[in-house]
Amino acid sequence: AQRVTQPEKLLSVFKGAPVELKCNYSYSGSPELFWYVQYSRQRLQLLLRHISRESIKGFTADLNKGETSFHLKKPFAQEEDSAMYYCALIGKGAQKLVFGQGTRLTINP
Amino acid sequence: DAGVIQSPRHEVTEMGQEVTLRCKPISGHNSLFWYRQTMMRGLELLIYFNNNVPIDDSGMPEDRFSAKMPNASFSTLKIQPSEPRDSAVYFCASSFSGADEAFFGQGTRLTVV
Repeated sequence: AQRVTQPEKLLSVFKGAPVELKCNYSYSGSPELFWYVQYSRQRLQLLLRHISRESIKGFTADLNKGETSFHLKKPFAQEEDSAMYYCALIGKGAQKLVFGQGTRLTINP
Repeated sequence: DAGVIQSPRHEVTEMGQEVTLRCKPISGHNSLFWYRQTMMRGLELLIYFNNNVPIDDSGMPEDRFSAKMPNASFSTLKIQPSEPRDSAVYFCASSFSGADEAFFGQGTRLTVV
């Protein structure tokens, strides 16, 4: 079964501080993992995916198969990072895109 | 392309009434997903289609919920009869293939009173 867990519903940090949004997954095969973001009054949209290994808006995420984690990190938070963040998983060769419960990130000035 | 289009944007209905939510996926996409978003449970996958065929409806909460995709450019999610606990934001998303980036509609905010 596919399962994504985001243990923190709410996360609040100060501007300039490091940010880490946690994501753990459960999947027996090789997963593909994503982070999606929903800014206020905007559509849910893709932020990054693990196969791209790229940094988007200063965010990075590393897939750790040993710990079955895909935490999202940014060294210096900015106020515009305030949003709802969802971690998502799809099994390789599969079609079912499953999301975690989401973490609402608030960056305080 | 205007992206995934959902209608209506907002729906307020009385308990017991039938509710139909609509979705037009991005042209050329062959996977379509319906999600329900609530504060308590986040984004729950209700059902998804591939090439207009329902593949997995295990997330549909109960028989009151049904979904159809009569063609590649249209899908509906129906709740009959509706109940107050169905109040949520319902999202439709489409992708070229399941493993590709999913594009979301703006959602339908359903309130059942």
